[in-house]
Amino acid sequence: GAGVSQSPRYKVTKRGQDVTLRCDPISSHATLYWYQQALGQGPEFLTYFNYEAQPDKSGLPSDRFSAERPEGSISTLTIQRTEQRDSAMYRCASSLGWGAQDTQYFGPGTRLTVL
Amino acid sequence: DQQVKQNSPSLSVQEGRISILNCDYTNSMFDYFLWYKKYPAEGPTFLISISSIKDKNEDGRFTVFLNKSAKHLSLHIVPSQPGDSAVYFCAASGRDDKIIFGKGTRLHILP
Repeated sequence: GAGVSQSPRYKVTKRGQDVTLRCDPISSHATLYWYQQALGQGPEFLTYFNYEAQPDKSGLPSDRFSAERPEGSISTLTIQRTEQRDSAMYRCASSLGWGAQDTQYFGPGTRLTVL
Repeated sequence: DQQVKQNSPSLSVQEGRISILNCDYTNSMFDYFLWYKKYPAEGPTFLISISSIKDKNEDGRFTVFLNKSAKHLSLHIVPSQPGDSAVYFCAASGRDDKIIFGKGTRLHILP
């Protein structure tokens, strides 16, 4: 595709509900990243995929957070039993390869609000 | 503990003048540094980067300077233009290639 897209753009949910966020990376990109960005902060690494493999999920804050990329393209981030502290912007990025020198292209983000 | 620090939340600069955005880092293992620019309602976009083997990288109006001994880098924009008004994130990475972002600095270019 032309760029990285994310859906929904906004999600409001009640505490305790599960939410699933979606990311469509640039079609030729092998690597996909998820970041969490709190208000007034920069993006913080959650996890990444190299095609469908998930080599690093060290940034996921708890076991309520999980991510998938089963066919090496579209990815989902699921937060179970949401809590108010999960409220943040969730950003997806993709790059051609892996490494800081491979430019990451960010999507517009999903703003999650947990009431 | 912030490994990448942008101590100025905002900066206002007259159009045509030089904008200087500063960034400090604490991790001496960082070897690659980046600046991202972000407009409202959009994701960050890559602007310019520098490897630790260099002390300067220039791309048009944008120049990044790296002072390894001071663990400091800066982004210079000259001349500043209205379209430069945005949030600028400084970022760094080390051996694990994970990118660590600062909190960002909001740049306002005044007419």
